[in-house]
Amino acid sequence: TQLLEQSPQFLSIQEGENLTVYCNSSSVFSSLQWYRQEPGEGPVLLVTVVTGGEVKKLKRLTFQFGDARKDSSLHITAAQPGDTGLYLCAGGGSNYKLTFGKGTLLTVNP
Amino acid sequence: SQTIHQWPATLVQPVGSPLSLECTVEGTSNPNLYWYRQAAGRGLQLLFYSVGIGQISSEVPQNLSASRPQDRQFILSSKKLLLSDSGFYLCAWSVFGTREQFFGPGTRLTVL
Repeated sequence: TQLLEQSPQFLSIQEGENLTVYCNSSSVFSSLQWYRQEPGEGPVLLVTVVTGGEVKKLKRLTFQFGDARKDSSLHITAAQPGDTGLYLCAGGGSNYKLTFGKGTLLTVNP
Repeated sequence: SQTIHQWPATLVQPVGSPLSLECTVEGTSNPNLYWYRQAAGRGLQLLFYSVGIGQISSEVPQNLSASRPQDRQFILSSKKLLLSDSGFYLCAWSVFGTREQFFGPGTRLTVL
């Protein structure tokens, strides 16, 4: 069974701070996705990474896929209250299913 | 563009009552479809997925069942709800053969 562990589980920071959240596994994934979910809504896809070592940037968000395709990180620069939400990583294997981590709940205080 | 709908948005049901949640996708053909349950706003548990009409794979033995009567319609059902069925139910779709999934708005189910 493939498992994804996300850390930290909870993170509360002030507006303007930088932060990094992590997604780790002992399994190799063919792709890894990051989603953000707001309370009472469905997750929204932010990015997909597929190549070991790949880095993608989405405005103030930087996503990296580990060289061995077992881990990923999400770095947010100058966090804003609008970044508040549950950040979920999900790994894709050899079929069409995704394995989700339990998420990092981020609160950015104004 | 593609859109995904779920209804109802919220539902309160007594223990032992039946359940039917519906999910429909517009703007695409032959999608993969998924049902997830999310407890306490945390990780997603895959319940069922479907790669075509009438083709359902169950991930977790439980009190629920799924059906796909049409290409872009996915239904989650139960004959008799349990308290433990409470949760946030999410439907998702992906382009056949790909792994990026797109989620609906969810249904909040409370079983009393």
